[in-house]
Amino acid sequence: NAGVTQTPKFQVLKTGQSMTLQCAQDMNHEYMSWYRQDPGMGLRLIHYSVGAGITDQGEVPNGYNVSRSTTEDFPLRLLSAAPSQTSVYFCASSYSGTGAGEQYFGPGTRLTVT
Amino acid sequence: GESVGLHLPTLSVQEGDNSIINCAYSNSASDYFIWYKQESGKGPQFIIDIRSNMDKRQGQRVTVLLNKTVKHLSLQIAATQPGDSAVYFCAESLNNFNKFYFGSGTKLNVKP
Repeated sequence: NAGVTQTPKFQVLKTGQSMTLQCAQDMNHEYMSWYRQDPGMGLRLIHYSVGAGITDQGEVPNGYNVSRSTTEDFPLRLLSAAPSQTSVYFCASSYSGTGAGEQYFGPGTRLTVT
Repeated sequence: GESVGLHLPTLSVQEGDNSIINCAYSNSASDYFIWYKQESGKGPQFIIDIRSNMDKRQGQRVTVLLNKTVKHLSLQIAATQPGDSAVYFCAESLNNFNKFYFGSGTKLNVKP
């Protein structure tokens, strides 16, 4: 199993540009999530999904969109990038319900917005 | 991913000693808690979890203690090894196990 994969590993955007961060998992997990991690801080939940076709907002959803058309994929879209979105982004997956805490994280995408 | 910040609390221990990493959680209604380990340049890795109806749970070389009265969680690592050097995060969740709130982390430095 490849686990959770994320692309790209690094990305530089100009203010106002849009892009999609890709996330895929091959463990047939129902639950998937996106976090951002800023220096000196823990992870903050952006959006999550408990299954295909179901998404919901996390702690810091503004400026980001998600969709979940398949169990495997959970892309994160930045519609109009801002310098405040400079961060490291992690995707994670797990079984839903009481197993959701045992999340498997991808390697992260380091995004810089200039 | 870079997880070390300028003001991250640091715990330094000698190899072979026991480590205790503490976490104060924010919401008294939280009923599920998790510890994660994050090595430099990598995503977090699940260590152990505990439900609020338990006070203690043990894993391999790790023990999590939960004190709901003072909203405190601790992770004990026995016989700490150099490979345990990382940043450790606690996370809390309530009710539906869908939203997880992370603490800011503690860096564990194991001296050989």
